[in-house]
Amino acid sequence: GESVGLHLPTLSVQEGDNSIINCAYSNSASDYFIWYKQESGKGPQFIIDIRSNMDKRQGQRVTVLLNKTVKHLSLQIAATQPGDSAVYFCAEIVSGGSNYKLTFGKGTLLTVNP
Amino acid sequence: SQTIHQWPATLVQPVGSPLSLECTVEGTSNPNLYWYRQAAGRGLQLLFYSVGIGQISSEVPQNLSASRPQDRQFILSSKKLLLSDSGFYLCAWSVSGGALETQYFGPGTRLLVL
Repeated sequence: GESVGLHLPTLSVQEGDNSIINCAYSNSASDYFIWYKQESGKGPQFIIDIRSNMDKRQGQRVTVLLNKTVKHLSLQIAATQPGDSAVYFCAEIVSGGSNYKLTFGKGTLLTVNP
Repeated sequence: SQTIHQWPATLVQPVGSPLSLECTVEGTSNPNLYWYRQAAGRGLQLLFYSVGIGQISSEVPQNLSASRPQDRQFILSSKKLLLSDSGFYLCAWSVSGGALETQYFGPGTRLLVL
């Protein structure tokens, strides 16, 4: 089974509010985590990543938090906009050997209401 | 900058017909290449990955095969399509030999088998 999962399959927010999308992982050996955004009919787009030696990383309007103690990852989107509506996937990589395979969660659908 | 292309964008094929989906990457050399399938409303399932020309690893037994005839070309094929092969097929690439590899996705091919 998948080692990466999501707490909420759907999330609906008002435009301008902050959004928080959560993700749990079960493999404590995971080194690296990535958040992807996938709009309808398109391929996943890289948003932000974080290494296991970090607790927090910020990008433009997005922040990723990593809590290794409880194996929890979250993506915070500030001032959510209609263009943020998409499915958001978290993914983990367990380093080992010469190949690095991503394990994806099933995704959370974020809907932004105007 | 690197870009990844997939074609066709959409495809409708009858059951039992052959399949050939193509993926090409520009702007990088010796990438790791991946094929994923995404069923409607579901997560990403890794089908194949390749670390070099002629090197293919299969993740799940299935009706599909992959080939890498050139460094930046990855092809997904089938001799006889099944109804269950319908889905959204995504190609991705990552930098080879890196310690932590982000995968970058193409736009995808939507396949409908009738």
